[in-house]
Amino acid sequence: GAVVSQHPSWVICKSGTSVKIECRSLDFQATTMFWYRQFPKQSLMLMATSNEGSKATYEQGVEKDKFLINHASLTLSTLTVTSAHPEDSSFYICSASISGRALPGDTQYFGPGTRLTVL
Amino acid sequence: KQEVTQIPAALSVPEGENLVLNCSFTDSAIYNLQWFRQDPGKGLTSLLLIQSSQREQTSGRLNASLDKSSGRSTLYIAASQPGDSATYLCAPWGYSGAGSYQLTFGKGTKLSVIP
Repeated sequence: GAVVSQHPSWVICKSGTSVKIECRSLDFQATTMFWYRQFPKQSLMLMATSNEGSKATYEQGVEKDKFLINHASLTLSTLTVTSAHPEDSSFYICSASISGRALPGDTQYFGPGTRLTVL
Repeated sequence: KQEVTQIPAALSVPEGENLVLNCSFTDSAIYNLQWFRQDPGKGLTSLLLIQSSQREQTSGRLNASLDKSSGRSTLYIAASQPGDSATYLCAPWGYSGAGSYQLTFGKGTKLSVIP
């Protein structure tokens, strides 16, 4: 089946530094990728929708200048948390749409997530 | 704005029991609803997808129902096994504007099946 990987699995960084998280579709091309964030004991919240070769669409309340998304190829999307602060500590999960669309019911394959801890 | 509530937040049952997980959502204008399983370090796995026109969907020991008008869905797990231990997430698909659609997740029900 379709596999999505994320790297790193866990990252610990100092406040003020930038962190890059990679999301890769290993055996399929993903025109559309999604980035979610999950705080402890909270639900997954969609942060942005990323389409290959174009600018990401951010959800309301998500700072696009703080969370930089690059989807330069059909198999790789990156999320860079710039000037990270302790309140950015969270679990970041990406998913990829195998259909290349973001329509209801289109299967999304989720990565294992990246835990970010900002000291 | 869609809000999804899952009850109970956690559930512990002995192996072999049948159980029901509940999900409610505030906006009934959904296209369909998915149930996911979340395992630590392994991401999410889609279990069942119910179209808005359907009332039930079955896969093996899992049966999901949907009452769109009342904003409710249930996931029924028959003959539970220790391998079913995970967090189960309910997520309706809705229209988020500007031609976009999105999943809205509940906080999940953490299930522990005791051997």
